[in-house]
Amino acid sequence: QQQVKQSPQSLIVQKGGISIINCAYENTAFDYFPWYQQFPGKGPALLIAIRPDVSEKKEGRFTISFNKSAKQFSLHIMDSQPGDSATYFCAASMEAAGNKLTFGGGTRVLVKP
Amino acid sequence: NAGVTQTPKFQVLKTGQSMTLQCAQDMNHNSMYWYRQDPGMGLRLIYYSASEGTTDKGEVPNGYNVSRLNKREFSLRLESAAPSQTSVYFCASSEPGRSGELFFGEGSRLTVL
Repeated sequence: QQQVKQSPQSLIVQKGGISIINCAYENTAFDYFPWYQQFPGKGPALLIAIRPDVSEKKEGRFTISFNKSAKQFSLHIMDSQPGDSATYFCAASMEAAGNKLTFGGGTRVLVKP
Repeated sequence: NAGVTQTPKFQVLKTGQSMTLQCAQDMNHNSMYWYRQDPGMGLRLIYYSASEGTTDKGEVPNGYNVSRLNKREFSLRLESAAPSQTSVYFCASSEPGRSGELFFGEGSRLTVL
């Protein structure tokens, strides 16, 4: 039973295009929603995160959109670059339960030059 | 700074053999985690340690044991390896009460024949 469902599994986008990855969660007690970026042979690294008191957070070319009523959140990568080619994971956790993250299945993004 | 260091990076075992994955962090974090990563499944929590001297089960603890040796080190032991334990294992650490960010090692790739 996967508490955080992520789609699509893979994505190909042209340089300069927009990459969109979607996640849905079931547990309404989740109160922290990060996105992690992973390059081949490396561990995941925090990219951007949001808490449910805001609907959107932007850091450079990366934006999280959050819809609390729908229990969904998404990552938008604007002006995608070949260096953005990586696997992206959404995740969720409850602050009261420590930083134990529940991850989505991952999306492999390939940005073509 | 080394961050989170895992050893070994690669290991091949035969069914029934035992081994220990080592993890050490130099960020003075209280919490440490072991995750496994499988294609399409994202990262799943095996065990975590909220602080030195405490450990608790995660989502997929069967077949594993852990030891929080001190604040820096958190090891994962497979007592009798099975092919289903073929995976990439990641250790992570965090400081509760901050951003919730987990810092991951580079992973240990384990193959059980």
